[in-house]
Amino acid sequence: AQSVAQPEDQVNVAEGNPLTVKCTYSVSGNPYLFWYVQYPNRGLQFLLKYITGDNLVKGSYGFEAEFNKSQTSFHLKKPSALVSDSALYFCAVRDKNAGNMLTFGGGTRLMVKP
Amino acid sequence: NAGVTQTPKFQVLKTGQSMTLQCAQDMNHEYMSWYRQDPGMGLRLIHYSVGAGITDQGEVPNGYNVSRSTTEDFPLRLLSAAPSQTSVYFCASRLQVSSGNTIYFGEGSWLTVV
Repeated sequence: AQSVAQPEDQVNVAEGNPLTVKCTYSVSGNPYLFWYVQYPNRGLQFLLKYITGDNLVKGSYGFEAEFNKSQTSFHLKKPSALVSDSALYFCAVRDKNAGNMLTFGGGTRLMVKP
Repeated sequence: NAGVTQTPKFQVLKTGQSMTLQCAQDMNHEYMSWYRQDPGMGLRLIHYSVGAGITDQGEVPNGYNVSRSTTEDFPLRLLSAAPSQTSVYFCASRLQVSSGNTIYFGEGSWLTVV
């Protein structure tokens, strides 16, 4: 079975500082990895994904994530946080060989303070 | 291009009532799915469909029915609502079944069962 862990319920950073939202996963095969962001009372919006190739993936709004196979991690990063980045972030994984199930982590709330 | 459209956005039901959450997509996506979002649990897959006439159960299917008579529509039915079904429901779709394609979400339906 595949699973995703987001170990932090909330991450607090000051505006202008770098941010990291952590994600670790477990799959039996090779993973597709995704990050989504959810603003209050809205649906999930796609940020970025890792399919294959370069381990560093760049996405929307200046976010990036690094795939680390040995540590089974896919942490989301941004060099300089904005107050408008405050939202709920979800990591998700799909096993390439396990069909259609996309498994989500529990979410991490990012609070960026001015 | 409207993307994934869900209705209604908000609904209050009494225990035992039935209702249908509507979902439509105009992107000619083969794959459609329903998730429920509960605090701290991320998104959990209820049912999914890989094409018209084909549906399958996800992680938490009990209490829900689906059908896929057309490529565009994927309604979710609650036959006898229970308070445990109070949640936020998201419909999602993607282009192909077995690929790393991005999944796109609707804006969500907030359901309260009293």
